[in-house]
Amino acid sequence: NAGVTQTPKFRVLKTGQSMTLLCAQDMNHEYMYWYRQDPGMGLRLIHYSVGEGTTAKGEVPDGYNVSRLKKQNFLLGLESAAPSQTSVYFCASTRTSQETQYFGPGTRLLVL
Amino acid sequence: AQSVTQLDSHVSVSEGTPVLLRCNYSSSYSPSLFWYVQHPNKGLQLLLKYTSAATLVKGINGFEAEFKKSETSFHLTKPSAHMSDAAEYFCVVTRLSLLGAQKLVFGQGTRLTINP
Repeated sequence: NAGVTQTPKFRVLKTGQSMTLLCAQDMNHEYMYWYRQDPGMGLRLIHYSVGEGTTAKGEVPDGYNVSRLKKQNFLLGLESAAPSQTSVYFCASTRTSQETQYFGPGTRLLVL
Repeated sequence: AQSVTQLDSHVSVSEGTPVLLRCNYSSSYSPSLFWYVQHPNKGLQLLLKYTSAATLVKGINGFEAEFKKSETSFHLTKPSAHMSDAAEYFCVVTRLSLLGAQKLVFGQGTRLTINP
């Protein structure tokens, strides 16, 4: 049981490039979340999903897209990366809406 | 709207002395509140959570927090600091989304430094 895993761990992009971050969970959780963490700001919710095929916007969705084609995977896409998207990205999942969220180890992204 | 304010961005204590990390919350309904800890270059770990049962909540590693509705506070304490407690601590309140998901709203974080 690996819990929540994130791929890649670290990535450097040039402005305008695209990439996809993968979050995977093996706990059969229904809900999945993507957050970004910036210095002095805590974590902010980007997008979330309440089940396979259903996603919704969080607090800071601009510049990101997501997909949940399989229950165990939640993908975060950057179509055209900008330096403002330099951040640490965390994924989380939970079985029900009331349970504690389990966090992945994070992906550090640097956009030059 | 639900929000949290961590009153100190940085707290420094000596090893063996008490720790107090302060958090005030704002919520239009009875909230769920959490404290998470993040060690350097690590993910987030749940310390404890309050979900309207006992107002004094005990967590891992000797930490506890008291929910005080009259003061809208949820301060985190530990009687005796250990060097391994040095980390960033986040106070978190929940917000329900239209789709029923539990959205976490994070405070800005408090960096705890332990002096030998």
